[in-house]
Amino acid sequence: AQSVTQLDSHVSVSEGTPVLLRCNYSSSYSPSLFWYVQHPNKGLQLLLKYTSAATLVKGINGFEAEFKKSETSFHLTKPSAHMSDAAEYFCVVRGYSTLTFGKGTMLLVSP
Amino acid sequence: EAGVTQSPTHLIKTRGQQVTLRCSPISGHTSVYWYQQALGLGLQFLLWYDEGEERNRGNFPPRFSGRQFPNYSSELNVNALELEDSALYLCASSPDQTSGLNEQFFGPGTRLTVL
Repeated sequence: AQSVTQLDSHVSVSEGTPVLLRCNYSSSYSPSLFWYVQHPNKGLQLLLKYTSAATLVKGINGFEAEFKKSETSFHLTKPSAHMSDAAEYFCVVRGYSTLTFGKGTMLLVSP
Repeated sequence: EAGVTQSPTHLIKTRGQQVTLRCSPISGHTSVYWYQQALGLGLQFLLWYDEGEERNRGNFPPRFSGRQFPNYSSELNVNALELEDSALYLCASSPDQTSGLNEQFFGPGTRLTVL
């Protein structure tokens, strides 16, 4: 079975400062991992995905994530936050026939 | 290209009633997924349909059911509503059952409130 744990329910940053959203995973085999973003009153959108190629994955809007097998982590980062990044972010692990979502991290960006 | 659409956007029901939610996938997509997003619980997988067949089901009671039509649109039915069914119900689609494990395209959801 697979699972993901998002270590923070809320993260607050100031505009222009770095963003770090933490995710640990558990999987019985080599995992595929994803980050999705959900803006208010909108559906989820895929930010980036790791599928056993390069361990550093670049996504849309300047986000990237690094797969670290030894730490079973897949943290999401961005060098400089923008007001438009305020949203809820979900870490996701692929199972045999389903995707398992974390409980989400709400990113708050202040001016 | 139109995205995934869901109707209605909001719904208020009372305990014990029945509800039907609808989803139209992106044109050409054959797989449809349903998720429940309850407050503080993240997204819980409900059902997966592909080519008109139920392919997988999450850990939900039988009063949650659905179907997929020949045009690939889908309905989610919930019978005997309970207060804890209050949630945002999200529908997603993918071009086929294989690609759905790499990317799913989500609709805006239906907000169900059970009083």
